[in-house]
Amino acid sequence: AQKITQTQPGMFVQEKEAVTLDCTYDTSDQSYGLFWYKQPSSGEMIFLIYQGSYDEQNATEGRYSLNFQKARKSANLVISASQLGDSAMYFCAMKSNAGGTSYGKLTFGQGTILTVHP
Amino acid sequence: ETGVTQTPRHLVMGMTNKKSLKCEQHLGHNAMYWYKQSAKKPLELMFVYSLEERVENNSVPSRFSPECPNSSHLFLHLHTLQPEDSALYLCASSQDSLGNSPLHFGNGTRLTVT
Repeated sequence: AQKITQTQPGMFVQEKEAVTLDCTYDTSDQSYGLFWYKQPSSGEMIFLIYQGSYDEQNATEGRYSLNFQKARKSANLVISASQLGDSAMYFCAMKSNAGGTSYGKLTFGQGTILTVHP
Repeated sequence: ETGVTQTPRHLVMGMTNKKSLKCEQHLGHNAMYWYKQSAKKPLELMFVYSLEERVENNSVPSRFSPECPNSSHLFLHLHTLQPEDSALYLCASSQDSLGNSPLHFGNGTRLTVT
């Protein structure tokens, strides 16, 4: 079974500062993918960044980077230069490619509410 | 339009009503999903369709009935729901054959069962 754990129910950061949102995962699969999504109050889930289990380098997308530590099974999201619009719920999710199923069955964590203060 | 569109955005229904949620994707994807998001719980996968064939039903009660007439459209038919079914229902799509393809979500339908 797969499990995603986000231990921070809520986080606060000052505008323009960096913040790290924690995510640990548990899987026995060798091949898997890790995703981060942002959910503003409007409800839409916005894809932010992806890290494959065999990727040797940490993924980066603009102000978002993923601190991937495979041995520790962690995939923390780092947001640099926080903006007021970054205030939202953030979800870590995992997809396993085991069993021959390539469709995107994602397992989600409980989420972290990020609040950016001016 | 681009992306994934869900209608209606909000729905209030009684326990004896029958209603349907609609999802349409304009991304050329061949897999579509229904997720349920309840307060204080992680997103729960309900159904997966790949190439219009249902490939997963996550022990969802029969009062929820999905329909995928083609790769661009997905419906969730609702009947005799319970108050605990009140939640945000999210539709998503992905490019089925790519292991690293992210799911693209719609804005969701906020369902309230009275």
